[in-house]
Amino acid sequence: SQQGEEDPQALSIQEGENATMNCSYKTSINNLQWYRQNSGRGLVHLILIRSNEREKHSGRLRVTLDTSKKSSSLLITASRAADTASYFCATDGTGANNLFFGTGTRLTVIP
Amino acid sequence: DVKVTQSSRYLVKRTGEKVFLECVQDMDHENMFWYRQDPGLGLRLIYFSYDVKMKEKGDIPEGYSVSREKKERFSLILESASTNQTSMYLCASRTTGRSGYTFGSGTRLTVV
Repeated sequence: SQQGEEDPQALSIQEGENATMNCSYKTSINNLQWYRQNSGRGLVHLILIRSNEREKHSGRLRVTLDTSKKSSSLLITASRAADTASYFCATDGTGANNLFFGTGTRLTVIP
Repeated sequence: DVKVTQSSRYLVKRTGEKVFLECVQDMDHENMFWYRQDPGLGLRLIYFSYDVKMKEKGDIPEGYSVSREKKERFSLILESASTNQTSMYLCASRTTGRSGYTFGSGTRLTVV
């Protein structure tokens, strides 16, 4: 399978704390993307990091990419209750025309 | 606001019925995708299309077909619905190049 794998599967933190989610993958990639899904809804694109980039920021989000380890991490700083959702990484492989999604990390932020 | 619209949020169908799931995008995107999402299995690609009348099988095409007669519309067809096709179905689109997807809100299909 070309799917990525997120770790942990579930994460529960207090509001104001930072949340870190990890993603490992198996194939060569053009880019890696992170998405958010609120319960029962579609996914929303958060951030894209290209294979030649090591770190990227967007607001309270920080993404890192280590292609030698085939891994990425998503950091959400100063979390809010509204950040409660599932987060997915998706790889855009060099040999494919579509994204491969992991199984997601369920984040719960407690007010 | 650009978007992908799926025709139904919730759908209940009987075993053996032919089911049509419709997806429309207003962004003039070339590529459209159908995924299903099941607990513990993540998102799995059923079919995708990179142009009008073009289609490619994904990882789990069995029991499904698709139609793309117009650029903005990508339909998923369950030829004869079965209970193991009960799932959340997600449509997405993206332009050419390695960009992100825009997803619809999803259709939760229950086959009884």
